[in-house]
Formats: sequence, structure tokens, C-alpha cells
Amino acid sequence: RKEVEQDPGPFNVPEGATVAFNCTYSNSASQSFFWYRQDCRKEPKLLMSVYSSGNEDGRFTAQLNRASQYISLLIRDSKLSDSATYLCVVKDYNQGGKLIFGQGTELSVKP
Amino acid sequence: DVKVTQSSRYLVKRTGEKVFLECVQDMDHENMFWYRQDPGLGLRLIYFSYDVKMKEKGDIPEGYSVSREKKERFSLILESASTNQTSMYLCASSLGGGGSEQFFGPGTRLTVL
Repeated sequence: RKEVEQDPGPFNVPEGATVAFNCTYSNSASQSFFWYRQDCRKEPKLLMSVYSSGNEDGRFTAQLNRASQYISLLIRDSKLSDSATYLCVVKDYNQGGKLIFGQGTELSVKP
Repeated sequence: DVKVTQSSRYLVKRTGEKVFLECVQDMDHENMFWYRQDPGLGLRLIYFSYDVKMKEKGDIPEGYSVSREKKERFSLILESASTNQTSMYLCASSLGGGGSEQFFGPGTRLTVL
């Protein structure tokens, strides 16, 4: 079983839609959580960290459920520019603090 | 502005060749990483380094080695390239201590024929 699992998609949604991505992780010792964004043929970049209480950054909301080992990302009012692959990332300090990446969920926002 | 650069965007090599991939960061970061990214598999950690002359194996180190002689530079070496090493290679760096955000270079797409 992969340490971090995501639905690869693609998710095809119209502009203005709300879309949610889910991610599960297998190691209960995982301690920090992030969403990265990767545009086509570009490098990954940090989108936002995910905190236990949930956090919001504009149209983006991240949630963490430690009991279920589940992370989510909600995008409201989708824009064409949101089209990208979204990577769920877990940091495990018991493994030297290395980042463990999910395979990514592809989002395509259409006009 | 944060910057991680990689020596080549595209590289084509033949089976058995020795391949050097160079990565340089200008942020004075302690930590540096090499990943490969393949469809359906995501990013997988090859090697990482928390300090000069220090290296640690990641999840898939076989067939690779690394060198970190200076803080800003982290090199990935394929001693004898094979076709299954055809991939996108991404270098990243982050601050030391608890680390945090990793900053990635633009990637090198390596094709081994």
C-alpha cells in the first residue's frame, strides 16, 4: 500500500465549480501535512500547509482528520488558472523529516 | 527571490554512459534533495543531504550516487545509465532544522536510449 494515496483524476470541472480532493496516508506517526501544486511541465510549489484545526487561504480550504488519516483540499469558485496537478504531501519526522508525496490529482477547469 | 537551478532541462544519453545532473541553490539552504517523477508513481526520493559532505539514501538509491562538496551544490550521478532511469529528475532544497517548504528546480528530463 502506498504511504500517501490520492485519486489521480483527472477532474474536469466548469469555471465557478467547487471541487474537493481527498488524500489518505498510512503512517499514523506522520506529523506535518501540505498541499503542493504542479503546473504542466513545471516544478511543484507549495500551495498551503494543512493544520489540525483546518485552514483557509482565499478560495482554498484544507482539512485534516488525524483519526481517519485523511486530508482534503477544497477549491471554491474554480478559475481556469487553477488547472494543475495537486500533490498531497506528508512529512514524517520519524523518517528524518523527509517529505512523502502522493501521485497527485489532476484538475482541469474548463470555460 | 528563491532560486534552484538545474544544469539541463533535457538530456539524452546512451545506455552505459556516466551521467551527471547538477543542482545549485542560492538560498543558503542546508537541506538538498534529489527526486525522480514518473507517471502513476509520483515523486520518489533518491538521495538527500542535510549538510556539506553528508548524504543519506532515500527510497530508491540503487543505480545512483550523489556528491555535496559545497553547500549550494548537490550533484546526482548515474554511474552507468540504464533505460529504466529515463525519467524527470527534480532537485529541491529547504532550510535546516525542522525544515519546511521545499523549493524545487525546474527539472531535468533524462532519456536513456
